[in-house]
Amino acid sequence: GAGVSQSPRYKVAKRGQDVALRCDPISGHVSLFWYQQALGQGPEFLTYFQNEAQLDKSGLPSDRFFAERPEGSVSTLKIQRTQQEDSAVYLCASSLPAGEDNEQFFGPGTRLTVL
Amino acid sequence: GENVEQHPSTLSVQEGDSAVIKCTYSDSASNYFPWYKQELGKRPQLIIDIRSNVGEKKDQRIAVTLNKTAKHFSLHITETQPEDSAVYFCAARDGQNFVFGPGTRLSVLP
Repeated sequence: GAGVSQSPRYKVAKRGQDVALRCDPISGHVSLFWYQQALGQGPEFLTYFQNEAQLDKSGLPSDRFFAERPEGSVSTLKIQRTQQEDSAVYLCASSLPAGEDNEQFFGPGTRLTVL
Repeated sequence: GENVEQHPSTLSVQEGDSAVIKCTYSDSASNYFPWYKQELGKRPQLIIDIRSNVGEKKDQRIAVTLNKTAKHFSLHITETQPEDSAVYFCAARDGQNFVFGPGTRLSVLP
């Protein structure tokens, strides 16, 4: 595909359910980022991968959040025992090596609503 | 860590007027500052960026200025058009990730 894709685009979960959000980065992009965007706010950093290595997970809000990128391409963000405060748009972005000011290309996001 | 503030939170201008959005950052080590435009329900898209070794950059109707001493940078849009209406986010690079401002909702009135 031409750009970053994410699935599902919308997810409604009951409080306490586990969810898994998928990101397909642009082919060849070694860097992958996850952000959380609450309504009316800017994206907030969650975690960063370079290839399959998770180099920074300092933004994950709790141990209920887990991300992986086992083969250095597709990434999954998993949220266990969802809470209402997890409701947000989850954005994925990819780029060429992150340390060289390369543009981050964002996916369309997954809008998660926890009831 | 880095902290980015952005003002104003909302901005309305008449078509053809200029719009200015200002951001400040806290970490003097930050050296790369992109601006993103996000239309309703769509993904953020990079519109312009500036590195700390320059003070100004222009791309047609869009320009960004950077004052490293004061740690602030601004987005300038001239001859605004209705399709410029969107939320604009500034960001500052913090290590290998980015810290975003809270956004400015720009409305261009016909």
